[in-house]
Amino acid sequence: KQEVTQIPAALSVPEGENLVLNCSFTDSAIYNLQWFRQDPGKGLTSLLLIQSSQREQTSGRLNASLDKSSGRSTLYIAASQPGDSATYLCAVVNDYKLSFGAGTTVTVRA
Amino acid sequence: DAGVIQSPRHEVTEMGQEVTLRCKPISGHDYLFWYRQTMMRGLELLIYFNNNVPIDDSGMPEDRFSAKMPNASFSTLKIQPSEPRDSAVYFCASSLVGQEAFFGQGTRLTVV
Repeated sequence: KQEVTQIPAALSVPEGENLVLNCSFTDSAIYNLQWFRQDPGKGLTSLLLIQSSQREQTSGRLNASLDKSSGRSTLYIAASQPGDSATYLCAVVNDYKLSFGAGTTVTVRA
Repeated sequence: DAGVIQSPRHEVTEMGQEVTLRCKPISGHDYLFWYRQTMMRGLELLIYFNNNVPIDDSGMPEDRFSAKMPNASFSTLKIQPSEPRDSAVYFCASSLVGQEAFFGQGTRLTVV
């Protein structure tokens, strides 16, 4: 069974600082990996999808890397803003199913 | 496309009552997933469908839970009878194979 771990569970940074969010998984035979954002009381918003054959994916201030062999992905958010405050979830796809980590709750202080 | 649409957004029901949650996936998507989110257990996959056929229901907690997908544009998750421990946010998601999964806004279920 795929186990997904996200560290740290919570993070507080001043505005402008770069964010580094970590995700690790136990089964490296993944199909792809997806990062989501969840605001309190809301649904999940897809941020980035990395296919298993890719090493990284970028979208604006967001960059996600994937190292399948070591079972790790990292989400970088450059020049954080208060609007980036949310919970960030990593999901790994095996056999078409998404397995989620518990998330990292980010607070960006103005 | 309006995205994945779930209804109702909130449901409060009494223990023992039947609850039906509804989902309309994104048109053209061939995978549909039902997840449950709680503070204690995070996001758990309950069941998923491919081309309207249930593929894996190993996450369905008990026989009180059932899910159907009668056509490509509609799915239901039913709980009968409901119990207080079923209180959670239930999400529906859809995707094309190998592509991004898109989630609905969820149904917040409270069983009193």
